[in-house]
Amino acid sequence: QSVLTQPPSASGTPGQRVTISCSGSSSNIGSNYVYWYQQLPGTAPKLLIYRNNQRPSGVPDRFSGSKSGTSASLAISGLRSEDEADYYCAAWDDSLSGHVFGTGTKVTVL
Amino acid sequence: QITLKESGPTLVKPTQTLTLTCTFSGFSLSTSGVGVGWIRQPPGKALEWLALIYWDDDKRYSPSLKSRLTITKDTSKNQVVLTMTNMDPVDTATYYCAHVHDYGDFGFDYWGQGTLVTVSS
Repeated sequence: QSVLTQPPSASGTPGQRVTISCSGSSSNIGSNYVYWYQQLPGTAPKLLIYRNNQRPSGVPDRFSGSKSGTSASLAISGLRSEDEADYYCAAWDDSLSGHVFGTGTKVTVL
Repeated sequence: QITLKESGPTLVKPTQTLTLTCTFSGFSLSTSGVGVGWIRQPPGKALEWLALIYWDDDKRYSPSLKSRLTITKDTSKNQVVLTMTNMDPVDTATYYCAHVHDYGDFGFDYWGQGTLVTVSS
């Protein structure tokens, strides 16, 4: 049911940089803001990035978002063990007149 | 501070109607641009947006579930209620409610802890 496509997994060693992609279409990412959510095991999702590249107060600047055309990316620099979580992109979809979430990416810290 | 909490049955039978309540504090659903949405997550699967209601009673629904969903608000009680008819085992999921402001431009910035609903006979 997800209309935004993410890689199922990504991994890195502590200190490395990990990038997660999110592919959409002209009706969602191509024409609206992208959001990123972090979901730690057994907890509710947490807003990580809003309006493509803005961080809410309290989110470390190790997390950064970008958007180009119908794709978006989340980068985690200086990877830490506590970053091990599932990450979801999201956007409003004009064709569906609703929010859509990505398929999710599990980040593992090796 | 803003908090939200979901409540409702943990077990429903197939074909029954599910009613979930989101009780919140720290904001008012009569404030311009504010809304409360529902998102669910089947075990081990991705998030799925269900519905959203704004301060002015504007309602949005997932197209794939629209025929089964109703979202309402009680501003005086600081509650939002989601009903889903004709429940099926595939509807087994953790259901979350979440806050938006500025019509969602800043994302779902506060979430409830979620409530697991199992559909089984």
